[in-house]
Amino acid sequence: QQQVKQSPQSLIVQKGGISIINCAYENTAFDYFPWYQQFPGKGPALLIAIRPDVSEKKEGRFTISFNKSAKQFSLHIMDSQPGDSATYFCAARSCHGYSTLTFGKGTMLLVSP
Amino acid sequence: EADIYQTPRYLVIGTGKKITLECSQTMGHDKMYWYQQDPGMELHLIHYSYGVNSTEKGDLSSESTVSRIRTEHFPLTLESARPSHTSQYLCASRRASSYEQYFGPGTRLTVT
Repeated sequence: QQQVKQSPQSLIVQKGGISIINCAYENTAFDYFPWYQQFPGKGPALLIAIRPDVSEKKEGRFTISFNKSAKQFSLHIMDSQPGDSATYFCAARSCHGYSTLTFGKGTMLLVSP
Repeated sequence: EADIYQTPRYLVIGTGKKITLECSQTMGHDKMYWYQQDPGMELHLIHYSYGVNSTEKGDLSSESTVSRIRTEHFPLTLESARPSHTSQYLCASRRASSYEQYFGPGTRLTVT
């Protein structure tokens, strides 16, 4: 049973466009929602994260939108650049148990020049 | 940049061999994790540790074992490697006071 559903699986965006990746969850015990960026041959790196008490968080060209009632959150990359081409993972942390992260399946983003 | 290291980066071994994947961090983090990731796929937690002499199995069943004798070191061992173990193995760590996990570069394991 996948607890965090991520879409799309892959995405092609033109340079300068907006990239949007969506995630949905069911577990209401999730209380921390990070996005990780992974380049080939590297480990994932934290890009931006949000708590459910805010609806939006922006850091530079990256924005998380969070809809608590719908149990959905999304990553928006404004003015997408070829250097943004990577795999993006959403994740969620449960406030119960050992507080481990549950990851989505990932989205491969390609920004064409 | 996070100071978390994994060795080897790439490993090709034959079936039945015993292997140990090394993970070390110099940040003094108490919490450490091992994930398994198939190419282009999601990360699955296979082991985690909340401190010295503390280890737990993760969500994904794994035939590997781990140990945590020192804070900075969290090795993963496969007693008898099989082709089904072929995957990328990622180590991560975090401070107790933060949710942010720092990942190592990974070990890509191929079992022939």
